[in-house]
Amino acid sequence: EVQLVESGGGLVQPGGSLRLSCAASGFTFSSFWMTWVRQAPGKGLEWVANIKQDGSEKYYVDYVKGRFTISRDNTKNSLYLQMNSLRVDDTAVYFCARHHDWAFGYWGQGTLVTVSS
Amino acid sequence: QTVVTQEPSLTVSPGGTVTLTCASSTGAVTSGYYPNWFQQKPGQAPRALIYSTSNKHSWTPARFSGSLLGGKAALTLSGVQPEDEAEYYCLLYHGGILSWVFGGGTKLTVL
Repeated sequence: EVQLVESGGGLVQPGGSLRLSCAASGFTFSSFWMTWVRQAPGKGLEWVANIKQDGSEKYYVDYVKGRFTISRDNTKNSLYLQMNSLRVDDTAVYFCARHHDWAFGYWGQGTLVTVSS
Repeated sequence: QTVVTQEPSLTVSPGGTVTLTCASSTGAVTSGYYPNWFQQKPGQAPRALIYSTSNKHSWTPARFSGSLLGGKAALTLSGVQPEDEAEYYCLLYHGGILSWVFGGGTKLTVL
């Protein structure tokens, strides 16, 4: 059974940093692109970043470029999102998702990041 | 800035048929945008329904179908059930650095 479990969310002050993790199981992690998607409270979904199977290609939405870094460790079946210079409007539930053949079939339950003073 | 537009809200009667659409500010949506559709209920993670315009996941109920319609991606629900009341999001691929963009979502009410 495919499982994606996010962790690392919490309360952080503006300008602070946080590292999210996504633990994958039930499939060959190293064979799939992986994606981060976020959802601000009461708002819609927003694609944030994705990363190729071997980490050689990474793409970001404009307003996180230079602040967020997506990475992965295929030996640990884990996906990461390092978030620096956090802003109040980065407050959201962050989901990881598996990406394959133009489909985003499997999602985690999300982890809440709250940026507030 | 690329914008993907969906109907903010739609209402349908149980057993009825409804079509949700998804448009891109860059022009007509084609199969090369690899449209995806997701259903999300309050407090839950999104659930994938459709990928690459019209392909269903193994868990997608038969009453859901995807297509291209008049330059937009479309999701049609036939024989709507009360449990289909949810928010529906489309996702389009815009290529290269623009990558993927979600629509704003359609709140579907069944009554």
